[in-house]
Amino acid sequence: GQQVMQIPQYQHVQEGEDFTTYCNSSTTLSNIQWYKQRPGGHPVFLIQLVKSGEVKKQKRLTFQFGEAKKNSSLHITATQTTDVGTYFCAGRRFNKFYFGSGTKLNVKP
Amino acid sequence: SQTIHQWPATLVQPVGSPLSLECTVEGTSNPNLYWYRQAAGRGLQLLFYSVGIGQISSEVPQNLSASRPQDRQFILSSKKLLLSDSGFYLCAWSVSLLAGAPDTQYFGPGTRLTVL
Repeated sequence: GQQVMQIPQYQHVQEGEDFTTYCNSSTTLSNIQWYKQRPGGHPVFLIQLVKSGEVKKQKRLTFQFGEAKKNSSLHITATQTTDVGTYFCAGRRFNKFYFGSGTKLNVKP
Repeated sequence: SQTIHQWPATLVQPVGSPLSLECTVEGTSNPNLYWYRQAAGRGLQLLFYSVGIGQISSEVPQNLSASRPQDRQFILSSKKLLLSDSGFYLCAWSVSLLAGAPDTQYFGPGTRLTVL
């Protein structure tokens, strides 16, 4: 069935280091979204990518959607302690969203 | 503006007891509605989604059911809870069905269910 795989499961970085999480789908997606969930909170929408090869930036965050619309990545430059949380990708196919298992980011000050 | 409500915030229930979690959305019409479950430290598992009143699609076989008695009300139920039903239950809504159009999912605050 439809799956979205996300790696790594955990990432511990020193403040100031970069961070990347990757998502890969077994099938072509209509779009892909990224969410951030702070500890104890609910997922909050970050961004949506729709076009093949699309790249979007939000300050220190860079999001990419692969040419085949099957994979995506989120890169954070120079992490800060406020970046702590779990980052999820969610691939849309028809009316449903398939979430990756998330990457839990811990940033040491 | 749109808001989404879920209650209760936390719930502790014995095995075999019934369950009813409610989700309501304000400020929008005919939203797509979703129920997800998140086990501790895990990702989000889609349980049910609905594109309209009385229209429910189930994603995984389980002892849970969902109903949408009104346009902006989504209810998750169980007749008899299992230990494995423990988790963080999230309701979400989105607007558009068109590929490429903005279809952000907005999540409610969630219900933390512990089955003992």
